[in-house]
Amino acid sequence: EADIYQTPRYLVIGTGKKITLECSQTMGHDKMYWYQQDPGMELHLIHYSYGVNSTEKGDLSSESTVSRIRTEHFPLTLESARPSHTSQYLCASSEFGGLVNNEQFFGPGTRLTVL
Amino acid sequence: GENVEQHPSTLSVQEGDSAVIKCTYSDSASNYFPWYKQELGKRPQLIIDIRSNVGEKKDQRIAVTLNKTAKHFSLHITETQPEDSAVYFCAASIPGGYNKLIFGAGTRLAVHP
Repeated sequence: EADIYQTPRYLVIGTGKKITLECSQTMGHDKMYWYQQDPGMELHLIHYSYGVNSTEKGDLSSESTVSRIRTEHFPLTLESARPSHTSQYLCASSEFGGLVNNEQFFGPGTRLTVL
Repeated sequence: GENVEQHPSTLSVQEGDSAVIKCTYSDSASNYFPWYKQELGKRPQLIIDIRSNVGEKKDQRIAVTLNKTAKHFSLHITETQPEDSAVYFCAASIPGGYNKLIFGAGTRLAVHP
């Protein structure tokens, strides 16, 4: 079934650790996004990609980095986790429509807690 | 840049009543306005969207209206049911942003039986 998958779903980690949040989609979409969301609060775009080897920073400054080596895979990495990184991270994807905007489909999220 | 304001932040209604959530946007070039519903602990899901060439769109109990002149759009839910309880987010497209969205702060809707 076409979907967006995120792993892990929950992660508790100590300060200073390097972490990678995985996101994969079987939707066949070109565009992918990472959002940061405190529970029940506003979604903030932190990274996006239009396709392979294309990545851009979003509107919210983030110390994380992303890569897009394969169309279906868009991992997010934090080199040194801090308590301020504690949040929920949502991955999303959408079809490429040129200047036409299309629905963004969201993954289930990763809830990150940095101690 | 684009800014989206959403009101109210919380809304409590009795089952069967109507609920209205309003959003305003700042950039007149925005042309796509989706609404997402997020239930507790779950992912946001699109419930309805509208493009700038349309003034109103309906889907069963849900409708969205768009006033381009005033730069605001609203979500209307009629005959509310307890399962409508969730956080609702409006969003507006960032002009020239190739499907980038900016989201409102969300409205927590509670429908009481």
